[in-house]
Formats: sequence, C-alpha cells, structure tokens
Amino acid sequence: DVKVTQSSRYLVKRTGEKVFLECVQDMDHENMFWYRQDPGLGLRLIYFSYDVKMKEKGDIPEGYSVSREKKERFSLILESASTNQTSMYLCASRGAGAHNEKLFFGSGTQLSVL
Amino acid sequence: LAKTTQPISMDSYEGQEVNITCSHNNIATNDYITWYQQFPSQGPRFIIQGYKTKVTNEVASLFIPADRKSSTLSLPRVSLSDTAVYYCLVVRDDKIIFGKGTRLHILP
Repeated sequence: DVKVTQSSRYLVKRTGEKVFLECVQDMDHENMFWYRQDPGLGLRLIYFSYDVKMKEKGDIPEGYSVSREKKERFSLILESASTNQTSMYLCASRGAGAHNEKLFFGSGTQLSVL
Repeated sequence: LAKTTQPISMDSYEGQEVNITCSHNNIATNDYITWYQQFPSQGPRFIIQGYKTKVTNEVASLFIPADRKSSTLSLPRVSLSDTAVYYCLVVRDDKIIFGKGTRLHILP
C-alpha cells in the first residue's frame, strides 16, 4: 500500500514564524497535494504539484508557498504564520495515470498558531 | 471543474442500507466519479469509483444513471463504525477539488 507520511502530527507555532510542513510518499507518484481542513468547510486545495519543481495554485494559495525538489517530497511553507492558518493540513499523492487514479492521504498535521 | 452537490448530513440506524446521492450536472465525457470516506482525525480514504452503471466492491456500491448527472453511494447494513464524512468527487484533471461532503451519523 502507498504510504504518505507527514512529518508532524501536532505542531504549535507563534505568529510570524516561518513554518515548514513536510510530506513524503513512497510510491513514486507524480502528483502531490496540500489541503487544509477546517470545521464546516471541508477540504480546500492550497497547492498541488504534478512533477518535480512544478507547482500549481489551488483555491486558497495566499499565505503559503510550496517546494518540490525531489519527487517523493512536497513541502508546504507558511512564510509568516498567522492565527487564521490554524488548521488541519493534509497531504496527498496520486499517480499520473488516467483520471481514475486514487488519492492517498497522510494522517494530517494539526497546526496551531498562537 | 465539475461541481458536486450532496446533502450536508444524514442519520441512519445500524443494520440499515444507506444511500447518499450526489449531483454533478456538468460532468464531462471523460470524468470519473469517485467517493472518499473520512473518519475524525484521519485523512480521507478512497471507497469506490465508477464511470457508468453500477460498481460494487467489498465496502459499497455505486449507482450511476445513464445521463451520469448524479450518482448514489450505497452502504449495505451500516454499523456504528461507518459514521464518517463521505465526499463525492468528479475527477477531470490534476486539480482535485473536494466539496464539503456528507456527514453520516449511524445511531444504535
């Protein structure tokens, strides 16, 4: 089975800090995604990447950036954390086959910005 | 992107069959319909996917009418452990968008 690993399960940071959320997948998937999930809002796509060094904005990219230097690793960066970025962050990966490829998710990182 | 609409929440009882319907009026010819399940404090996981007619696996069935403008996820004989949020997606390209899902609550 595909394993998508997020480096931290819980993270507490202070306003203004630079925050790195790391995600690693072990199935040589081309596509990787970062979502955030807030109560009542479902999952919202922040950024995705379809290849190394390639990235595309999702629906809510403001305040975030991403890095994909290696195929297996996709990092989400909060340049200057703010309290409204307190959320559950979920990473996912998917092969680049047909549109019926499954998404595989990590367990999530619950980030609190104080 | 094909927008999906599904009920916000549903309640059912253990042992019942549960059907969750999703509408996707602007589905395109090459789009697939996919359902995910999410338990609290976990990432979503794939349940089932289909293109047309009926698909069945060990977890659920998916019914898709000929016009493909809607789909119905059917969970047979649910148990308390089926309490979760269920997401219907229409996947067209690499930008995969989730809706708000249906919160299913199974009662004893």
